[in-house]
Amino acid sequence: KAGVTQTPRYLIKTRGQQVTLSCSPISGHRSVSWYQQTPGQGLQFLFEYFSETQRNKGNFPGRFSGRQFSNSRSEMNVSTLELGDSALYLCASSVDRRFGAGELFFGEGSRLTVL
Amino acid sequence: GDSVTQMEGPVTLSEEAFLTINCTYTATGYPSLFWYVQYPGEGLQLLLKATKADDKGSNKGFEATYRKETTSFHLEKGSVQVSDSAVYFCALSDNTNAGKSTFGDGTTLTVKP
Repeated sequence: KAGVTQTPRYLIKTRGQQVTLSCSPISGHRSVSWYQQTPGQGLQFLFEYFSETQRNKGNFPGRFSGRQFSNSRSEMNVSTLELGDSALYLCASSVDRRFGAGELFFGEGSRLTVL
Repeated sequence: GDSVTQMEGPVTLSEEAFLTINCTYTATGYPSLFWYVQYPGEGLQLLLKATKADDKGSNKGFEATYRKETTSFHLEKGSVQVSDSAVYFCALSDNTNAGKSTFGDGTTLTVKP
């Protein structure tokens, strides 16, 4: 079974630009969540999607948005990039919490550098 | 809200030493508890889990027991290897907060030969 795939793996942007990151979950997983990982803040929850609906959202500004498609693939977008957005963005998929313990399967991440 | 507190790192051990990484949590409802491991340049991967009180999760020689009375889920290994060097995250998933897991800050383990 293929794992969670994230693209691109690395990208460099400048302040004010926007970026879109993509995530393909494990086949059969309908829940996709996104996390931001930075050395200072650790792993911070961004949002979670299930069946194309955002079910939960973390404490991030509106510049951070996401969506999920009917095939469960997900994208997240960050607009008007700031230096502080430099981070590793991790996508994770899982079966619905009703049917499992809630364990997450992570991709290798997209490392964003904002100059 | 939910929270997870891990012992501060980094932790440096010699090969074959005993490892303990402390983890305590606060949560509403009845969470499932996890340990994830992150090797350099990679995403996180599940190491072990426990879904109810007194459950013991185990994998690759690592163990952790879900202690509801002390709200703890400490990670242990009897004899660490150099290949265990990584960052370890304690986490919980609360079924009252669909789709969201809460993570500790992570503990960096370095094992020296």
